[in-house]
Amino acid sequence: GNSVTQMEGPVTLSEEAFLTINCTYTATGYPSLFWYVQYPGEGLQLLLKATKADDKGSNKGFEATYRKETTSFHLEKGSVQVSDSAVYFCALTGNTGGFKTIFGAGTRLFVKA
Amino acid sequence: DTAVSQTPKYLVTQMGNDKSIKCEQNLGHDTMYWYKQDSKKFLKIMFSYNNKELIINETVPNRFSPKSPDKAHLNLHINSLELGDSAVYFCASSSSGGDRTYEQYFGPGTRLTVT
Repeated sequence: GNSVTQMEGPVTLSEEAFLTINCTYTATGYPSLFWYVQYPGEGLQLLLKATKADDKGSNKGFEATYRKETTSFHLEKGSVQVSDSAVYFCALTGNTGGFKTIFGAGTRLFVKA
Repeated sequence: DTAVSQTPKYLVTQMGNDKSIKCEQNLGHDTMYWYKQDSKKFLKIMFSYNNKELIINETVPNRFSPKSPDKAHLNLHINSLELGDSAVYFCASSSSGGDRTYEQYFGPGTRLTVT
């Protein structure tokens, strides 16, 4: 079945540091890939998405590229801010089997001033 | 003009009780979901409805029963609550339309505490 593996947290960075959160997936066919962010006390919200190979999703300075050859969708940001502190979830939705979305375990990010 | 709303936001109850959580979306989506998030933030899908029809029913105890009276509403009823049911429950919705991205919109969550 489909699966998503993302790096374990927590990740602690200083403000303005470079961020990478790794995400790899296993899926049949051509899934859509997502990064969601969950701020404390809130529900998840979509951060960015990519629907086909080599697509780059971007939003709020975050980027991720759909790499089919390495089955990866790593999240990056060049300069993090304290306000980026949150839990980040990598997810995929397959194009078969009821279009179920599979979420990774989440990676908690702490950014220090 | 909240997109996905849930009530109540907090629910504290005793073991053995029966409770319901309600969800409504005003996005015009045709698919709705219930997720359970544990204390380690792990998110697990429980149910999904498409146009009021159950399409995903994961391995969830029979004490949990979803009901979708129409496309905009999805409720979750839980019988005989147990300590292990304590978690945050999220409702979400998405469109299964032509763009095929299936991005989901989440509600604010209902924190259920069973004592």
